[in-house]
Amino acid sequence: GIQVEQSPPDLILQEGANSTLRCNFSDSVNNLQWFHQNPWGQLINLFYIPSGTKQNGRLSATTVATERYSLLYISSSQTTDSGVYFCAVEKIGNQFYFGTGTSLTVIP
Amino acid sequence: KAGVTQTPRYLIKTRGQQVTLSCSPISGHRSVSWYQQTPGQGLQFLFEYFSETQRNKGNFPGRFSGRQFSNSRSEMNVSTLELGDSALYLCASSLAGSPLHFGNGTRLTVT
Repeated sequence: GIQVEQSPPDLILQEGANSTLRCNFSDSVNNLQWFHQNPWGQLINLFYIPSGTKQNGRLSATTVATERYSLLYISSSQTTDSGVYFCAVEKIGNQFYFGTGTSLTVIP
Repeated sequence: KAGVTQTPRYLIKTRGQQVTLSCSPISGHRSVSWYQQTPGQGLQFLFEYFSETQRNKGNFPGRFSGRQFSNSRSEMNVSTLELGDSALYLCASSLAGSPLHFGNGTRLTVT
């Protein structure tokens, strides 16, 4: 299978700070998604971004497929941004490989 | 449009028993996939169904099985439960070439 590495594993931010989360993957992929898992366990889709850059409010993501990495930017962080952020990649057949996640804590 | 619905939310079972989990996808979504999440192994792919056919299977023992009905609803079954099967089981649905949308999950505890 594809290896997906996320960094950093843990991140503590003061409210209002910016951050960058990184996802490296070991093989070429067809699709890549970023998810936020809330404290109740639900995975919320943030971005579907096999390549290029997308923005949604305070969040943006960039995937450089040729170099096998993706970045998730969080600006002006809020306490509600706390949770675990996962990167997942798909090579074939709707089978996604997940990274181990970045656990983000935003303190007021 | 209603999201992905998983039932039940919580389950407690005893070793050796079997369990069936249910997933109703978003209306119009024909692909349903299942994932297991544990603290030790993270999120791992179990299997994916499309139009009642299993298209893909992850590296899990045969005790884990699933099926999909003609209305795209899916069930997964785990037989002869082991303590290590305790996990959050997540179901996702999607259209072809579009994002996965996950349900709230079923938290299974095996005692």
